[in-house]
Amino acid sequence: KQEVTQIPAALSVPEGENLVLNCSFTDSAIYNLQWFRQDPGKGLTSLLLIQSSQREQTSGRLNASLDKSSGRSTLYIAASQPGDSATYLCAVRTIIQGAQKLVFGQGTRLTINP
Amino acid sequence: DTAVSQTPKYLVTQMGNDKSIKCEQNLGHDTMYWYKQDSKKFLKIMFSYNNKELIINETVPNRFSPKSPDKAHLNLHINSLELGDSAVYFCASSPVYSGPFGTQYFGPGTRLTVL
Repeated sequence: KQEVTQIPAALSVPEGENLVLNCSFTDSAIYNLQWFRQDPGKGLTSLLLIQSSQREQTSGRLNASLDKSSGRSTLYIAASQPGDSATYLCAVRTIIQGAQKLVFGQGTRLTINP
Repeated sequence: DTAVSQTPKYLVTQMGNDKSIKCEQNLGHDTMYWYKQDSKKFLKIMFSYNNKELIINETVPNRFSPKSPDKAHLNLHINSLELGDSAVYFCASSPVYSGPFGTQYFGPGTRLTVL
C-alpha cells in the first residue's frame, strides 16, 4: 500500500533563507515523483519531476532529490522569496491494483515572511 | 494566464441527471487526461487523449464519455449520475503522451456532489 507523507505540515521562514521540504513514500515501486505547488483557489503547478532512475532535478532556485530505496525525496528552495509562499505537494506515480495512480502527500504549507 | 482550466469549479446535482465538466488548456499540449480523486485522496486516471484520439480508458463505466473537439479541449460528460460519482475530478495535460513517465499539468479540479 502506497502512502506519501510530507513533513512539516507547515513552515514559516524569513525571506532569503534556504529551506528543505521532506517527502517520504512507503512503496519504492514508483515510475516517478513529482513536486507541485498549489496557490489558494488555483490548480497544481508542476515544479519538478524525477524519474525513478534519476537522483535529482534542478530548476532555478529549486532542487529536488530522490532516494528511491529509502523512500525519500527532498525539495530544496534556495534564497526564499515571498512569492514562494504556497502549499507544496509531492506525488508518486505508481500502479495500484492494475490502475495508474498519482498518490499525493498532504502538503507542506510554506509562508515566506518579508 | 497559460494554464489548464476547468468549469465549473463546483457542481451539485441530483441522481439520474446528466452533466458535463469542461477542460481547456492553452499550453499547446498534445495530450489531455481526466482523473478522479477517490476517498483516499489518490488520483486515479480515467481517460487519456492524444491529439483528440482516445489512448487510455481505464475501465470507466460507459456512463462516462469524454469528448475532445480539438486538442486544447477535453470535456467529460456523465450520464445517469450516481451517488458514487461524487468526487473531485481533475483535468491535466502534457506536451506529449509518455505514459506514466511524463510531467503533467493539472487544472484546479471540479468538485461534483450527487444528491
